[in-house]
Amino acid sequence: DTGVSQDPRHKITKRGQNVTFRCDPISEHNRLYWYRQTLGQGPEFLTYFQNEAQLEKSRLLSDRFSAERPKGSFSTLEIQRTEQGDSAMYLCASSTGTGGVATQYFGPGTRLTVL
Amino acid sequence: GNSVTQMEGPVTLSEEAFLTINCTYTATGYPSLFWYVQYPGEGLQLLLKATKADDKGSNKGFEATYRKETTSFHLEKGSVQVSDSAVYFCALGGLSAGGSYIPTFGRGTSLIVHP
Repeated sequence: DTGVSQDPRHKITKRGQNVTFRCDPISEHNRLYWYRQTLGQGPEFLTYFQNEAQLEKSRLLSDRFSAERPKGSFSTLEIQRTEQGDSAMYLCASSTGTGGVATQYFGPGTRLTVL
Repeated sequence: GNSVTQMEGPVTLSEEAFLTINCTYTATGYPSLFWYVQYPGEGLQLLLKATKADDKGSNKGFEATYRKETTSFHLEKGSVQVSDSAVYFCALGGLSAGGSYIPTFGRGTSLIVHP
């Protein structure tokens, strides 16, 4: 068990550019979540995968955001045409289970700065 | 919808003082309840959890009891240490409007313990 990893840890980009983040969950975990966290706030849910299926997206999630989890392993989160308001920490978490909410195992996050 | 309300921080205490961090929630059904902790420079990690009413979660001297009648899950510790300085997040795992079990986090409470 090597834990949840995220790459890159930091990303600085200019407004209007596209960025992609990667998350590698704990290998036996079937559930994967993406969150956004800004200073002084808790993690805000973005989207959820069970295996390779994206089962839920936040209603607050702009069309510029897309996520994939091919083959039910790693996941990518892409933000197109970034805006300064996208600056935040993007967290990935994984868990096991088929019902209810199990313990979340978080990665270290990717800090995005949009200039 | 589901929501979590935590007391505002920072909470500043002297070593060996008693700690309470209040958490109340709104949810449909019977959610699981969690406390996560984020130490400086680290990712979120589970501190304790409770899955049904009157359950008590405990870990590292921290305790919280699932109170359905008051919809609360207050975090307590009898004697805090400097090493407990961190941000504490209350969370619930309940059914979302989309029918999936999605965690909802509070905004976090910063705890600062002085020697």
